[in-house]
Amino acid sequence: DQQVKQNSPSLSVQEGRISILNCDYTNSMFDYFLWYKKYPAEGPTFLISISSIKDKNEDGRFTVFLNKSAKHLSLHIVPSQPGDSAVYFCAASAGTGNQFYFGTGTSLTVIP
Amino acid sequence: GAVVSQHPSWVICKSGTSVKIECRSLDFQATTMFWYRQFPKQSLMLMATSNEGSKATYEQGVEKDKFLINHASLTLSTLTVTSAHPEDSSFYICSARDLWTGSNYGYTFGSGTRLTVV
Repeated sequence: DQQVKQNSPSLSVQEGRISILNCDYTNSMFDYFLWYKKYPAEGPTFLISISSIKDKNEDGRFTVFLNKSAKHLSLHIVPSQPGDSAVYFCAASAGTGNQFYFGTGTSLTVIP
Repeated sequence: GAVVSQHPSWVICKSGTSVKIECRSLDFQATTMFWYRQFPKQSLMLMATSNEGSKATYEQGVEKDKFLINHASLTLSTLTVTSAHPEDSSFYICSARDLWTGSNYGYTFGSGTRLTVV
């Protein structure tokens, strides 16, 4: 049973516009969330995180929003750049030190 | 920052042989390492959790006798795919957990290993 879901397998955005990647989870105990970026045949690279005590975290062009009541988080990338083209995974963990469960990924293509 | 080294990055082996993949934490001690598998266009599926000095905990559906995991030290975990078959061909990724600190909660991934069984 997939506890973390990314319902959009792919997304295309024009360069300079905003990319919004969505992630839903089912386990209300999840309280730590990560976003990773992954290129083919490479390991995931950490992007940004958020804990359940916050509803927003920003780092440069990347902002993650958390809606605990809806069990939903989103990653905003603005402005989008061609180098952002990759697969993005969200991950969630329940409690400190526990494993992270990953979503199925969204393939982002930024069109120059 | 924390670095996790994974080797080899790719390997081709004959069906029936065994392959060992190493995962090392280079600048920190990892009491826990995780092994994932990714099929094309699919998510990262957790295979097992490896704790230093103890037996690995396998996820449901993962054959522990086929995927042998050893975590003999605080900086090294190995995954051995025994009697490999073409259906074992996949991308295997390890991750290591440092102290629960930093913006990534101490969770760092290796670069992955592409296994092709012919």
